[in-house]
Amino acid sequence: DQQVKQNSPSLSVQEGRISILNCDYTNSMFDYFLWYKKYPAEGPTFLISISSIKDKNEDGRFTVFLNKSAKHLSLHIVPSQPGDSAVYFCAARVGGGADGLTFGKGTHLIIQP
Amino acid sequence: EAQVTQNPRYLITVTGKKLTVTCSQNMNHEYMSWYRQDPGLGLRQIYYSMNVEVTDKGDVPEGYKVSRKEKRNFPLILESPSPNQTSLYFCASSPRDRSYTFGSGTRLTVV
Repeated sequence: DQQVKQNSPSLSVQEGRISILNCDYTNSMFDYFLWYKKYPAEGPTFLISISSIKDKNEDGRFTVFLNKSAKHLSLHIVPSQPGDSAVYFCAARVGGGADGLTFGKGTHLIIQP
Repeated sequence: EAQVTQNPRYLITVTGKKLTVTCSQNMNHEYMSWYRQDPGLGLRQIYYSMNVEVTDKGDVPEGYKVSRKEKRNFPLILESPSPNQTSLYFCASSPRDRSYTFGSGTRLTVV
């Protein structure tokens, strides 16, 4: 049973516009959520995170929104740039992270010039 | 430089020949994990470790072993590799209440 779901395998966005990546989860015990970005032939790199006690976290062009009642989070990238083309993974954990992360299947974001 | 180092980066082996993928971190992190990435399946956790001598199974542990004798090292052992273990493997580490840092990956092919 997949506990973290990213239902869009790919997303194409024009350069300069907003990219919105979505993620849903089923496990109510998750209390911390993270987004990772992955380029081919590299390991995932941490992008931004949010605690379950917040509903928004912003870092430069990246904003993550959390809707606990809907068990839904989204990553907004604005404006989108060509270097943002990558696979984005949504991840979740329980507590301090001792038992690792549960990942979604990823969304391949393609920024069109 | 703070990093997670995996070796080798690429490995082709034959079915049944024992192998070890090494993972080392220089950040004094308590937590370490192994994941495999397969097309259409995302990243799935194999094993994790909360500290030295404390390890536990993740979602897909069958066919793998790990050990954590020292804080910095967390090797992944395949006692008898099979073709369905052909995958891209990532090691990661984290301090408490922080994000995980990932290694660059090991691409394993079992023929």
